[in-house]
Amino acid sequence: AQSVAQPEDQVNVAEGNPLTVKCTYSVSGNPYLFWYVQYPNRGLQFLLKYITGDNLVKGSYGFEAEFNKSQTSFHLKKPSALVSDSALYFCAVSHSNYQLIWGAGTKLIIKP
Amino acid sequence: GAGVSQSPSNKVTEKGKDVELRCDPISGHTALYWYRQSLGQGLEFLIYFQGNSAPDKSGLPSDRFSAERTGGSVSTLTIQRTQQEDSAVYLCATTLAASYNEQFFGPGTRLTVL
Repeated sequence: AQSVAQPEDQVNVAEGNPLTVKCTYSVSGNPYLFWYVQYPNRGLQFLLKYITGDNLVKGSYGFEAEFNKSQTSFHLKKPSALVSDSALYFCAVSHSNYQLIWGAGTKLIIKP
Repeated sequence: GAGVSQSPSNKVTEKGKDVELRCDPISGHTALYWYRQSLGQGLEFLIYFQGNSAPDKSGLPSDRFSAERTGGSVSTLTIQRTQQEDSAVYLCATTLAASYNEQFFGPGTRLTVL
């Protein structure tokens, strides 16, 4: 069965430290991969996507993600965390020509 | 409009009542999704509209749920005879058709069934 896993319900990082939010997937074929962020009391916003090409994808707010085909992972990273990065992060992978499979989300808490 | 809008932002209803949720998409976006987001859960796909094609209703959890999209623009999600387990945030998203395009989300409607 096709699936997306975000193994950590919550990630805690000190401000200024690097952060990683993990995502692994299981889909057939060549997937399109996405990260979205949901700030408190706001709608989901697109962060970045991997379609093809360079495995390192850069997105909004200084975030990047690395596509690793052998490990079927698409971890979200940022070199230096900000308190304002605290939010709920969702990984998603294309399931069909229009559907996405969504991870359960990871709550990121950045402490000053 | 500039973004996807949804109304109402909050809806409290009594068990057994019908509710109607509205989504106004970004102009020109032909594809529209409805999702349900429960606390601590990911997004649950409900229904997909694309242009004049028949919608994909495969995610609707029961026949109490229905949705329509009039004129390829505004969409309404109707839940009949609401149950407490219907309590969740209902999200609408629109996009230019194609799976590699990012979806633009509305702020959601928080539904509480008492």
